[in-house]
Amino acid sequence: LAKTTQPISMDSYEGQEVNITCSHNNIATNDYITWYQQFPSQGPRFIIQGYKTKVTNEVASLFIPADRKSSTLSLPRVSLSDTAVYYCLVGVDSGYSTLTFGKGTMLLVSP
Amino acid sequence: DAGVTQSPTHLIKTRGQQVTLRCSPKSGHDTVSWYQQALGQGPQFIFQYYEEEERQRGNFPDRFSGHQFPNYSSELNVNALLLGDSALYLCASTRSPEGGYTFGSGTRLTVV
Repeated sequence: LAKTTQPISMDSYEGQEVNITCSHNNIATNDYITWYQQFPSQGPRFIIQGYKTKVTNEVASLFIPADRKSSTLSLPRVSLSDTAVYYCLVGVDSGYSTLTFGKGTMLLVSP
Repeated sequence: DAGVTQSPTHLIKTRGQQVTLRCSPKSGHDTVSWYQQALGQGPQFIFQYYEEEERQRGNFPDRFSGHQFPNYSSELNVNALLLGDSALYLCASTRSPEGGYTFGSGTRLTVV
């Protein structure tokens, strides 16, 4: 399984753009990169998934360089409600797969 | 939208007791996985059920067992509870083989 490394914590202010980078040097050819968000006492929630280049949805953007050894989750104009733990996962996305979580990045957004 | 439903939301048990947690998967999903999340840690995979069989298992002792019913709902049983079993227990469902997981809000288990 590809191991991921991401910062333990990050601080930001409302309205700023936040970029969280995840390293996954041993990513396999068939692996996707998926980010989840988790609020206290709730289950993780899917944010975005990508394989290569750039993916954008209504919540975030995901940037993946050509070598796929890292990825960056970009949250535009964060608000207080974006304070949460963000997890970067790498693996095959199928019903047979299991999810391997690290400790994630605790993002604290201040007024 | 019928998401993943877990019950109960909170539970307090005494060491040595047994506990059963329940999960109803999202509508259309047939695969259920259970995760344990200790305070300050990421969720850790316990096991996965598909077609009423345990398909995969993580590094958890046999005190942790489960079951899946014909309607795809699932139970997690933990015997001989230890203080270290205190955690948030998460249920996640998906549809095989497509994938794409949805998590429930979890059951907070406290062992005293």
